[in-house]
Amino acid sequence: DIQMTQSPSTLSASVGDRVTITCRASQSVNNWLAWYQQTPGEAPKLLIYLASRLETGVPSRFSGSASGTEFSLTISGLQPDDFATYYCQQYNTYPWTFGQGTKVEIK
Amino acid sequence: EVQLVQSGAEVKKPGESLKISCKGSGYSFVSYCIGWVRQMPGKGLEWMGIVCPIDSFIQYNPSLQGRVTISAERSVGSASLQWSSLKASDSAMYYCARSLVRGSATAFDFWGQGTLVTVSA
Repeated sequence: DIQMTQSPSTLSASVGDRVTITCRASQSVNNWLAWYQQTPGEAPKLLIYLASRLETGVPSRFSGSASGTEFSLTISGLQPDDFATYYCQQYNTYPWTFGQGTKVEIK
Repeated sequence: EVQLVQSGAEVKKPGESLKISCKGSGYSFVSYCIGWVRQMPGKGLEWMGIVCPIDSFIQYNPSLQGRVTISAERSVGSASLQWSSLKASDSAMYYCARSLVRGSATAFDFWGQGTLVTVSA
């Protein structure tokens, strides 16, 4: 299975901060990489697909980038609704796998 | 409006069978794959498998060791996840989700509300 390793596991930040979450794949996923946001008690929400494409309706402060097997999700100007847990997922090779999650909490 | 509506919470005993469902509406059900994702209490997301109704393609996560069956009923626009013999370790929230791209297994753009399964003696 392809291992997806996210860092950090927890991130403390303030409203207005720029934050970056990293996801490293154990082998190539050919940019078939998605980012999801999950708030407590809710289903995950798709933010980014194909490593850098913004899902319809997602605010432009969210962006994704890729460099080989390393992927990043950046939130430029953290808003109160952004305090949540974020997951990366590769959908290049079965079984598809998720990262362990990064919790963004209020500093 | 695209919606995935899942069946309600279940409380079962070990060894019992269970089938939970996910009904799609607001789009052509047969044209989009449906995946299942497990989330154990306080834990992360785990991909369980996917079914593509248009050609009956099904792929499972081998970690499930054949303990679940994924299916889709095109006539009613619904996907299902089934166990023949539940274990306490199957207690979790189960989500269904639709693939982003028509006719292709890809990232998930619409999600069901989740079905909580509790297995306890």
